[in-house]
Amino acid sequence: KAGVTQTPRYLIKTRGQQVTLSCSPISGHRSVSWYQQTPGQGLQFLFEYFSETQRNKGNFPGRFSGRQFSNSRSEMNVSTLELGDSALYLCASSLTTGGNTEAFFGQGTRLTVV
Amino acid sequence: AQKITQTQPGMFVQEKEAVTLDCTYDTSDQSYGLFWYKQPSSGEMIFLIYQGSYDEQNATEGRYSLNFQKARKSANLVISASQLGDSAMYFCAMREGQRGDDKIIFGKGTRLHILP
Repeated sequence: KAGVTQTPRYLIKTRGQQVTLSCSPISGHRSVSWYQQTPGQGLQFLFEYFSETQRNKGNFPGRFSGRQFSNSRSEMNVSTLELGDSALYLCASSLTTGGNTEAFFGQGTRLTVV
Repeated sequence: AQKITQTQPGMFVQEKEAVTLDCTYDTSDQSYGLFWYKQPSSGEMIFLIYQGSYDEQNATEGRYSLNFQKARKSANLVISASQLGDSAMYFCAMREGQRGDDKIIFGKGTRLHILP
């Protein structure tokens, strides 16, 4: 059974550009959530998608957006990149939603903005 | 107030010894899940163990066990017979779910160093 796949693994972008990250959840999982990890702020929740609908959103500016497709794959987009967006972006896959639900993470996409 | 507290920023342990990583949590929900993840320097967040709030027995996965004390709101991770490959950052996390807001909340982590 394949795990959570995130692509690309590494990205280098210039300030002002936009970027799209992809996450393929575990087969059969319908919930995908995204997290940003930085040394200063730790792990912060970005948003969660379930059955193509955004259920929750963290405290991030509108430059951060996402979507989920009918096959549960999810993309997140960051427009007008800033230096502070440099981080490890992790996505988590869950069978469904709710507190009593296991969550498995991908290897992450390491974004560097220069 | 912090929802997940990990009081040990760093730990040094001799190889083959058992390790206990501390975690306390704060929630008013009845339904929640507790997780431990391992993050090596590569960045991947590796799932180790899960404990549901309604589970009466402590979770175990190979060398990992979760010491769940619900009344004390404590969910310590125990690693038996530590190995050099256990050196990594360890995160305790919680997922609440009764209000439809089931994002995962992470602690600040404990960096574990296994000494040969």
